[in-house]
Amino acid sequence: NAGVTQTPKFQVLKTGQSMTLQCAQDMNHNSMYWYRQDPGMGLRLIYYSASEGTTDKGEVPNGYNVSRLNKREFSLRLESAAPSQTSVYFCASREDRDRDAFFGQGTRLTVV
Amino acid sequence: QKEVEQNSGPLSVPEGAIASLNCTYSDRVSQSFFWYRQYSGKSPELIMSIYSNGDKEDGRFTAQLNKASQYVSLLIRDSQPSDSATYLCAVTPWSGGYQKVTFGIGTKLQVIP
Repeated sequence: NAGVTQTPKFQVLKTGQSMTLQCAQDMNHNSMYWYRQDPGMGLRLIYYSASEGTTDKGEVPNGYNVSRLNKREFSLRLESAAPSQTSVYFCASREDRDRDAFFGQGTRLTVV
Repeated sequence: QKEVEQNSGPLSVPEGAIASLNCTYSDRVSQSFFWYRQYSGKSPELIMSIYSNGDKEDGRFTAQLNKASQYVSLLIRDSQPSDSATYLCAVTPWSGGYQKVTFGIGTKLQVIP
């Protein structure tokens, strides 16, 4: 039982490059989330998907797009990376709105 | 106003003491409340969840919820050096239909041997 799997674990991008962060969960959870974590800022919600086929903006959506490919997978895309997007990105999932969230191991992204 | 407020710390307590971590939230009708622990370089992991007013105990951990005061706390009894970590408070606010999970900035706890 892998839980929530994120790929890649580390990535260095040049300013202006694009990339997609992948997230997959094997717990049959309905909701999935993307957060970024910066020093002194806590976990900030980028986008979330309450169920397959729906996505909603969180606190800091600018510069990002998401796709809920199916119930298992929720990807985060940076179309034109900027140094301000250097951060640790966490994907999470949860069964329903009364339950807690399970986190992936994180992706450390550096934009130079 | 941020949806979830926490003091960033660090909070330093001696080994064996009680550590008290506090959190306030702005959405009066928030539904679910969670405490996560995060070690440096690791993912957050759930310690406690609480849904109704009062206390909930699990081993050395006690979560307390006061919805009237919009306040949730975590007590750690007999603190150990292994408890040194950042503790994140999370709530599910009414905005977003309780689907969002919103986190505070976390309180760094240091347990001094």
